Amino acid sequence: SQTIHQWPATLVQPVGSPLSLECTVEGTSNPNLYWYRQAAGRGLQLLFYSIGIDQISSEVPQNLSASRPQDRQFILSSKKLLLSDSGFYLCAWSLVQGNQPQHFGDGTRLSIL
Amino acid sequence: AQTVTQSQPEMSVQEAETVTLSCTYDTSESDYYLFWYKQPPSRQMILVIRQEAYKQQNATENRFSVNFQKAAKSFSLKISDSQLGDAAMYFCAMGPQGAQKLVFGQGTRLTINP
Repeated sequence: SQTIHQWPATLVQPVGSPLSLECTVEGTSNPNLYWYRQAAGRGLQLLFYSIGIDQISSEVPQNLSASRPQDRQFILSSKKLLLSDSGFYLCAWSLVQGNQPQHFGDGTRLSIL
Repeated sequence: AQTVTQSQPEMSVQEAETVTLSCTYDTSESDYYLFWYKQPPSRQMILVIRQEAYKQQNATENRFSVNFQKAAKSFSLKISDSQLGDAAMYFCAMGPQGAQKLVFGQGTRLTINP
């Protein structure tokens, strides 16, 4: 069966520091991968999605970037964090075939001080 | 652009009772998929139920069922025999046919009263 791992679960970072959140999927090949941000009490905002290695689409202009160095690895990064980057970040995967549900990781709570 | 609206920020129900969560959406697509996700306090997003827009029959998963009204662009979730473990944020989401991007509503926080 497929599993998705996302880490760390919690992260506290100072303003201006770099960021690297990692997500890996097991049990499937060539999945679609997604990064979402969820502000407190709000819905999910799609940040990036990827249909293949080095194929990244950005949905919202921001201080963050994403990379997919391997088929089942998706990384969310920032060179300099802003206070507004605080939130709950969720990674998800889905099968390539259209209209498949997305399956989510456990999320990372990021607090910027 | 597609939009999903959940007009009930919070709902509560007595244990063992039935509750319905509302969701409306807007899209110019003729074919699409709709989902309900559950996010308990642990924050993990869990797929509850899925509906294909081309199907007239409402989807059902055990105690969870939907009322899909395509003309009205409405997709409500009914939870029967509510249990304490059903307490969570519930998100409605839709995705156009053939696409992978989902648009989520703002969520409804469901409280189960014992």
